[in-house]
Amino acid sequence: GAVVSQHPSWVICKSGTSVKIECRSLDFQATTMFWYRQFPKQSLMLMATSNEGSKATYEQGVEKDKFLINHASLTLSTLTVTSAHPEDSSFYICSATPGQPWQPQHFGDGTRLSIL
Amino acid sequence: AQRVTQPEKLLSVFKGAPVELKCNYSYSGSPELFWYVQYSRQRLQLLLRHISRESIKGFTADLNKGETSFHLKKPFAQEEDSAMYYCALSTPNTNAGKSTFGDGTTLTVKP
Repeated sequence: GAVVSQHPSWVICKSGTSVKIECRSLDFQATTMFWYRQFPKQSLMLMATSNEGSKATYEQGVEKDKFLINHASLTLSTLTVTSAHPEDSSFYICSATPGQPWQPQHFGDGTRLSIL
Repeated sequence: AQRVTQPEKLLSVFKGAPVELKCNYSYSGSPELFWYVQYSRQRLQLLLRHISRESIKGFTADLNKGETSFHLKKPFAQEEDSAMYYCALSTPNTNAGKSTFGDGTTLTVKP
């Protein structure tokens, strides 16, 4: 149980394109989901906390207009990278938990984003 | 602010040898601490959490509040233990429960 599905797993697109990444909790409901960014051989950097039915909470230094987060239902959060540029190329991972947000997280497979 | 430090980026041991992956944290309150593992080509998954005090796949981790450490140990490493290990801290009832991760340690167990 407690499966998190992330889609797509890999996307390559041209500079200036907007890209949407979906994060779904398949067998549980999650009022809170987290979005991370991971650079090669580095740790997970929390980008934002996605809250169902309300605005996301962004970490310091993360541009909210660049990384739009929508948590429209208890099983789906989306991250849209708007007008993506090569420096946005990275590995993006989401997580969620059926319990309280501070409890163990269940992670998606991640999305490899490559901007040409 | 909360912080997690994993001082070793790479750790290599021989099969059957003991292994210890270090984790130190800084947080003034009572944190929840976790070890996550990422095997090759797999998603990040929970290995163990301090509150359960379980042994998973032969690994144990004891929370030492005096030393603010949560080191991961296994007495006899196996080749299948080769993976990336992340120590993480979350804070119940504060900061929306978000987690802070260490930089990770890549463990290689040689035959």
